[in-house]
Amino acid sequence: AQSVTQLDSQVPVFEEAPVELRCNYSSSVSVYLFWYVQYPNQGLQLLLKYLSGSTLVKGINGFEAEFNKSQTSFHLRKPSVHISDTAEYFCAVRRRGWGKLQFGAGTQVVVTP
Amino acid sequence: DTEVTQTPKHLVMGMTNKKSLKCEQHMGHRAMYWYKQKAKKPPELMFVYSYEKLSINESVPSRFSPECPNSSLLNLHLHALQPEDSALYLCASSQVRGGNTGELFFGEGSRLTVL
Repeated sequence: AQSVTQLDSQVPVFEEAPVELRCNYSSSVSVYLFWYVQYPNQGLQLLLKYLSGSTLVKGINGFEAEFNKSQTSFHLRKPSVHISDTAEYFCAVRRRGWGKLQFGAGTQVVVTP
Repeated sequence: DTEVTQTPKHLVMGMTNKKSLKCEQHMGHRAMYWYKQKAKKPPELMFVYSYEKLSINESVPSRFSPECPNSSLLNLHLHALQPEDSALYLCASSQVRGGNTGELFFGEGSRLTVL
């Protein structure tokens, strides 16, 4: 079985400041890793994914994440946030081949001017 | 724009009503999912269909009845719900094993209120 821990439930950040959202996972098998974003009253949208290869993954809206196998982490970063980045962010893991998508508890990002 | 379309976006129903949520995708995906999401929580898996057959039921109460009429459509029939069933219901689709990159594509959700 896989599990995902998002270490921060809420991250307040000022506009144009950098942000990092932390995600750690555990799994006995190889996995795919994802970050999804959920804007208020909307569904989930994929920000980026790690399948294999380069450990630095770039996604939409200026986000990137780094896969660290030794630390079993997949932290999400953005160098400069906008007000529109205010949303809930979910880290998720899925076993390679087939398996359930396991979500973390989510991190609420609140961007203020 | 999402490629998974859910209707209705909002639904209010009484505990004795029968209603249905609908989901449609045209990405050629052969796996479709229903998730339930309460406020400030991650989505919880309810059902998975693979090649139009139910492959996972996460011990969901029988008042929720899924149906997959064809590879593009997924329904969730609702009957005799309880107020605690009020939530956002999300539909998703993906490829299945073999061509599976693991990514799920989500719809915008149907917000259900049970009175």
